[in-house]
Amino acid sequence: DAKTTQPPSMDCAEGRAANLPCNHSTISGNEYVYWYRQIHSQGPQYIIHGLKNNETNEMASLIITEDRKSSTLILPHATLRDTAVYYCIVRATGYSSASKIIFGSGTRLSIRP
Amino acid sequence: DAGVTQSPTHLIKTRGQHVTLRCSPISGHKSVSWYQQVLGQGPQFIFQYYEKEERGRGNFPDRFSARQFPNYSSELNVNALLLGDSALYLCASSFGTGGVDEQFFGPGTRLTVL
Repeated sequence: DAKTTQPPSMDCAEGRAANLPCNHSTISGNEYVYWYRQIHSQGPQYIIHGLKNNETNEMASLIITEDRKSSTLILPHATLRDTAVYYCIVRATGYSSASKIIFGSGTRLSIRP
Repeated sequence: DAGVTQSPTHLIKTRGQHVTLRCSPISGHKSVSWYQQVLGQGPQFIFQYYEKEERGRGNFPDRFSARQFPNYSSELNVNALLLGDSALYLCASSFGTGGVDEQFFGPGTRLTVL
């Protein structure tokens, strides 16, 4: 079972910041928070990941609470092309963890013009 | 640079048939993982291979099998197809060395079983 809880859907106006929440209250110390998104009928696309510090890249920012039990993905200026299903995932690291990703149901983000 | 490639893009089979799906990882990546995504759900992990060895298996029946070749490409085989096997089959590649190992997904193969 997925270790994360996300709202099933959200919407945001174009040009505004989209803030996608995720709860991962059972996260372990060696588990990272990853975000992927999947645009209709395409493969999932990596967005960002973090352990405990906030992270930013050209696509998004990731804010992780101090207790690491929740996080927020921020798309600073949403466009219509950001319409997708967004998956929040927790993954352990290390050889024995392999690369297995356990996807939940994700959040369907709709950007309105 | 080429990303993960999968073939074919679409496939239609009938119940009881066999299917082989193919995946070529990103150059330099040694790990390939397979996922099944049924309509309306998130992808479900099927297999992971690293250096031609199986490193992980999801909760799928023995009708599903896979292998990895010396050039790190991979095949997913499904025997005795059922209607419920209709799905998008995704391949993901990574360096596979553990640690913070990002996976890059291909576009998928859409399998329809009639």
